[in-house]
Parts: sequence; structure tokens; C-alpha cells
Amino acid sequence: DQQVKQNSPSLSVQEGRISILNCDYTNSMFDYFLWYKKYPAEGPTFLISISSIKDKNEDGRFTVFLNKSAKHLSLHIVPSQPGDSAVYFCAAGVRGGSEKLVFGKGTKLTVNP
Amino acid sequence: DTEVTQTPKHLVMGMTNKKSLKCEQHMGHRAMYWYKQKAKKPPELMFVYSYEKLSINESVPSRFSPECPNSSLLNLHLHALQPEDSALYLCASSAGTGGRYQPQHFGDGTRLSIL
Repeated sequence: DQQVKQNSPSLSVQEGRISILNCDYTNSMFDYFLWYKKYPAEGPTFLISISSIKDKNEDGRFTVFLNKSAKHLSLHIVPSQPGDSAVYFCAAGVRGGSEKLVFGKGTKLTVNP
Repeated sequence: DTEVTQTPKHLVMGMTNKKSLKCEQHMGHRAMYWYKQKAKKPPELMFVYSYEKLSINESVPSRFSPECPNSSLLNLHLHALQPEDSALYLCASSAGTGGRYQPQHFGDGTRLSIL
């Protein structure tokens, strides 16, 4: 049973445009969400997070939006750069309990020059 | 550069061998993790150590044996592995457990191949 779903295996955008990566979750106990970026032959790198008490968190070019009623979050990258080309994982966890993170399957983003 | 260091980067071993994977962090983090990642799949949690005590074992077979000698080090001892255990093994650490969630920071992994 997949509790965190990234339904788009890949996404291609032009440099300078917006990239929107989507993530859905089914477990209403999740109250903290993270995005990780992974280049080939490297481990995942933490990008940005959001807790369930917020609906938006921004860090430079990266913004995460959370819609709790829809159990949906998205990562916006503006403007997209070729160096952003990587696999992006959405992850979810429960604060105050175990430190278990559940990951989605990832979306491969390609930013074309 | 990652602040979580994993060695070796690559490991090839036979099914009867015994080997160990090592992970080190010097960020003062008190929680450390082992994940397994197969190709085109997300990382899957194996073990969590919190303040040097095993807090989560995700029903991992006993041929994988974790050890946390101190707050900076995490080992994964391997014995009698199967070909399906070939994968990328990722170590991660975070500042602590409970309360405000702290993101996990990952090493670059050990690519393990079982012959």
C-alpha cells in the first residue's frame, strides 16, 4: 500500500520556466512533509519541508504548497535551471513519534537549456 | 559535499562473505538511519537508532545486523546475503527524535553487489 504517491515518473521543462512536481498521500497521520533531490551516484539532498500547520513554505527558488483537505502537496521551482535536473522525492513523516519517513517513487525532472 | 560519510562506496561480495558498511557524521546528530534503495525505487527504511539505541527495525532479515558504537558512527554488518540484497544502502542522520521534526541528511551510499 503506497502511502506517498508521485504519479508522474518524469517531467521536462524549459530553462527559466516553472517546474511543478506533485505528491499525494493517503495517511492522515502524516504531519510533516519534505522534498529531496537526488543526482545519480549521490545520496538524496534535503531541499525544503513543510509542517501541517502551514500551507506554504518558501526558500529561494523553491516553494512547497500543502493542501491538507486534498492530501496533496506540490513543489514549485521558479525559475528552473539545468542544474535542477535530478530525481525529486517527496517524503512524509509524523512528528513526535518514530522518525520513519515514507518516500514516494520519485519524479525525474529534466530542465532543457 | 555530504556531511554524512559512507564507506566503502562500492562493495562486491559473495554469498558466504562477511562484510561491514560504515557511516559517520560529525553534525552532533542523535538519530541515525539505514535505508535500502533498489533501482528506480524510493529509499526504504531498515533501521533507526535514537541516542545510540535501536528504536526501529523494519522486519529486516537477521543477515543484516546494525551496530551503533557511538553517536557519530553507524555500522551495518552483512553475512550470508542473497543476490536480491544487491542495492544502494544509504545512511542518514537527523538532529533528534520527537517533537519538532528535523530533516534527515543522507550520505552518498554504498553500492552493494552480491555474486
